[in-house]
Amino acid sequence: GAVVSQHPSWVICKSGTSVKIECRSLDFQATTMFWYRQFPKQSLMLMATSNEGSKATYEQGVEKDKFLINHASLTLSTLTVTSAHPEDSSFYICSARMAGSNYEQYFGPGTRLTVT
Amino acid sequence: AQSVTQLGSHVSVSEGALVLLRCNYSSSVPPYLFWYVQYPNQGLQLLLKYTSAATLVKGINGFEAEFKKSETSFHLTKPSAHMSDAAEYFCAVMNLPIQGAQKLVFGQGTRLTINP
Repeated sequence: GAVVSQHPSWVICKSGTSVKIECRSLDFQATTMFWYRQFPKQSLMLMATSNEGSKATYEQGVEKDKFLINHASLTLSTLTVTSAHPEDSSFYICSARMAGSNYEQYFGPGTRLTVT
Repeated sequence: AQSVTQLGSHVSVSEGALVLLRCNYSSSVPPYLFWYVQYPNQGLQLLLKYTSAATLVKGINGFEAEFKKSETSFHLTKPSAHMSDAAEYFCAVMNLPIQGAQKLVFGQGTRLTINP
């Protein structure tokens, strides 16, 4: 149980285009989902927290107009990287917190984004 | 603010030897602490967690960790390393605000290499 999927697992896009990453909780309802970014050989940095049906809360320094987050249902959150640039190339990981849980997060397998 | 420091970005041990990965935390309130493992190009898998119950916590794959409040430490150990333990390990502390989502703050990560 408690499986989180991400799609796509990897994506290459051209500079200036937008790309959408999906995060799904497959066997549970997730009231809260988290989006992280991980640069090579570095730790995970929280980008934003999204709650179903409300606006995402972004961490300091993360541009909300560049990284659009939508959490439209209890099983799906999306991250759209708009006008992507090479410096946005990274590993994006989502996690989901089960409804009724006060702390445990389940992580997706990650999405490798390369912007050329 | 809470923080985590992992001592040693790279640890190398021989197969069958003791594994010790160090983690120290900073927190103004009793923390929740976690160890995660990440294999290349994958998401995070929870190894074990401390949530203010027993101070010695046993996790998956033979790992365990001991919460020591006096030392503000939560070191991860395994008596006998296996080749399959080679991975990146992250220690994390959870921020438990009165309101809002609980956020994970990750350490820098420790890469564990197992020598045959």
